[in-house]
Amino acid sequence: DVKVTQSSRYLVKRTGEKVFLECVQDMDHENMFWYRQDPGLGLRLIYFSYDVKMKEKGDIPEGYSVSREKKERFSLILESASTNQTSMYLCASSLGQGGTGELFFGEGSRLTVL
Amino acid sequence: GDSVTQMEGPVTLSEEAFLTINCTYTATGYPSLFWYVQYPGEGLQLLLKATKADDKGSNKGFEATYRKETTSFHLEKGSVQVSDSAVYFCALTQGGSEKLVFGKGTKLTVNP
Repeated sequence: DVKVTQSSRYLVKRTGEKVFLECVQDMDHENMFWYRQDPGLGLRLIYFSYDVKMKEKGDIPEGYSVSREKKERFSLILESASTNQTSMYLCASSLGQGGTGELFFGEGSRLTVL
Repeated sequence: GDSVTQMEGPVTLSEEAFLTINCTYTATGYPSLFWYVQYPGEGLQLLLKATKADDKGSNKGFEATYRKETTSFHLEKGSVQVSDSAVYFCALTQGGSEKLVFGKGTKLTVNP
């Protein structure tokens, strides 16, 4: 089974702190994604990566950056956390090459910024 | 741009009731359509999908038919169980992309 592991289930940070959210997948998938999930807004794509060192902005990239130095790992970075970034963050991966549409999700990281 | 509209929840049903969650989409071209489910405390997982018009996706007693003429992909189940309590997301993708566009989600609670 595909496993997508997010490093932290719950984080509490202070405004202005730098925050790293880590995600690792174990199935050699080409694509990796970061979404944020908010009540009433559903899932919104922050960034995705289709190859090592390759990235594209999603719908809401402002205030975030990403890093993909190795195929299996995709990191989301909040350079200076703000209270409006309090949310559930979901990482996902997919095989790539033809777009089956099946994304495999991690369990999520709930970030609270005080 | 492409978008997905789901019926707003929450939806509360008794066990063995019939379930319908409506989903309509706006997209150019011919998207692939999906239903994902998120059980409490878990990430999303694929429930079913359909890749062309008139296809029916099915899994775990759930079904949805890709209706191009009404741009819809409604989720149905004949008899829900308590274990079906979850949030359900309709989504689309197209053009070989794996960037999914999600609806806002519908929370289902099934009472014994």
